[in-house]
Amino acid sequence: EVQLVQSGAEVKKPGESLKISCKGSGYSFSTYWIGWVRQMPGKGLEWMGIIYSGDSDTRYSPSFQGQVTISADKSISTAYLQWGSLKASDTAMYYCARLNSGSSSGMDVWGQGTTVTVSS
Amino acid sequence: SYELTQPPSVSVSPGQTARITCSGDALPKQYAHWYQQKPGQAPVLVIYKDTKRPSGIPERFSGSNSGATATLTLSGVQAEDEADYFCQSADSSGTSVFGGGTKLTVL
Repeated sequence: EVQLVQSGAEVKKPGESLKISCKGSGYSFSTYWIGWVRQMPGKGLEWMGIIYSGDSDTRYSPSFQGQVTISADKSISTAYLQWGSLKASDTAMYYCARLNSGSSSGMDVWGQGTTVTVSS
Repeated sequence: SYELTQPPSVSVSPGQTARITCSGDALPKQYAHWYQQKPGQAPVLVIYKDTKRPSGIPERFSGSNSGATATLTLSGVQAEDEADYFCQSADSSGTSVFGGGTKLTVL
């Protein structure tokens, strides 16, 4: 079964750092792009960026460039999303998803989501 | 920055046809993809590359892309189709965006 399993919910304070993960299984992880999507409470989906773990090619939405870092370790089929200094406005659900063909394609497999809460 | 525009809401009676539009300047050159999201759940891809339906998605879901507008059509809407729907497409820089989402209400 093709699946993406994300790390668990996080509660952090403003200014703290955080790295969440997304582990793929059931397919050749390094031959597909993985994307990250933010959904703030009660709001829509926001495309954050994508990574191709085969060669670490990474692309960011202008809205998230410089705010987060996307990385991957193809040896363990895992992608990451990290923050150097969290803000309250980073409170959201974060999804990872597999792009089904190419960097502009649709996302056909989704993780269960990771809730990030940033509060003092 | 690039934007995709969707109507905030669409309402339809059971058995009728619902059409949800997505407008964007780059759509004549880029594919549109569509997602369904129900409360508390991750999104599900229902249409990709304008017209293709992933396995397991009912035939009542279809898509089109003409000019600067992509359209998701649900024929014979059922109560279980009530959800939020989002379009997604790329811009000329190679990054993608989502539309603001459309809440489909089945009356």
